[in-house]
Amino acid sequence: GESVGLHLPTLSVQEGDNSIINCAYSNSASDYFIWYKQESGKGPQFIIDIRSNMDKRQGQRVTVLLNKTVKHLSLQIAATQPGDSAVYFCAEIPSSGYSTLTFGKGTMLLVSP
Amino acid sequence: GAGVSQSPRYKVAKRGQDVALRCDPISGHVSLFWYQQALGQGPEFLTYFQNEAQLDKSGLPSDRFFAERPEGSVSTLKIQRTQQEDSAVYLCASSPAGTGSREQYFGPGTRLTVT
Repeated sequence: GESVGLHLPTLSVQEGDNSIINCAYSNSASDYFIWYKQESGKGPQFIIDIRSNMDKRQGQRVTVLLNKTVKHLSLQIAATQPGDSAVYFCAEIPSSGYSTLTFGKGTMLLVSP
Repeated sequence: GAGVSQSPRYKVAKRGQDVALRCDPISGHVSLFWYQQALGQGPEFLTYFQNEAQLDKSGLPSDRFFAERPEGSVSTLKIQRTQQEDSAVYLCASSPAGTGSREQYFGPGTRLTVT
């Protein structure tokens, strides 16, 4: 598949703006979709998940939207803060019993004060 | 409480050397996962343990990679005869019983550089 390599897609926003990070997934049978945040030198950190039978889920300052028709997932971050600067990954879990996480391409979010 | 810890945090190996990477999962977590993350990429699954049983090793890239979890807690990922393409961050994650892949807690990773 296509490789992002060292050139991650980057989203640059100002502090206080709302951010939208997008992800296209491949497996229409996936049961769960998860967003992770990864800061430099750290492992991925769970943000929010959504089950395939939902189209929207809200957390604290974050909302995940799932559009199964076009296999698209988005993460909306309200009132973005400098501490939100990180690489964001979407991941999917296929529905067949035990299964592993499959991570998508990451997006780097840069928040300027 | 303590999260997942990994050691060493950084490892430099000469091509052909063997390395061992350690993962201490969260106490009581049944499931343990290893991932490989190349620079600028998302983590890729290597192997999965449920307690001491290695239930899935389909992601191990070659027979030079070996993982074990003999007592169902600490796990070691061993890479024999390291090659330059093995350079990556190796992440370990653990999850409680009954949550499968969904609720994974990741360690900080071990950055392996093969020269």
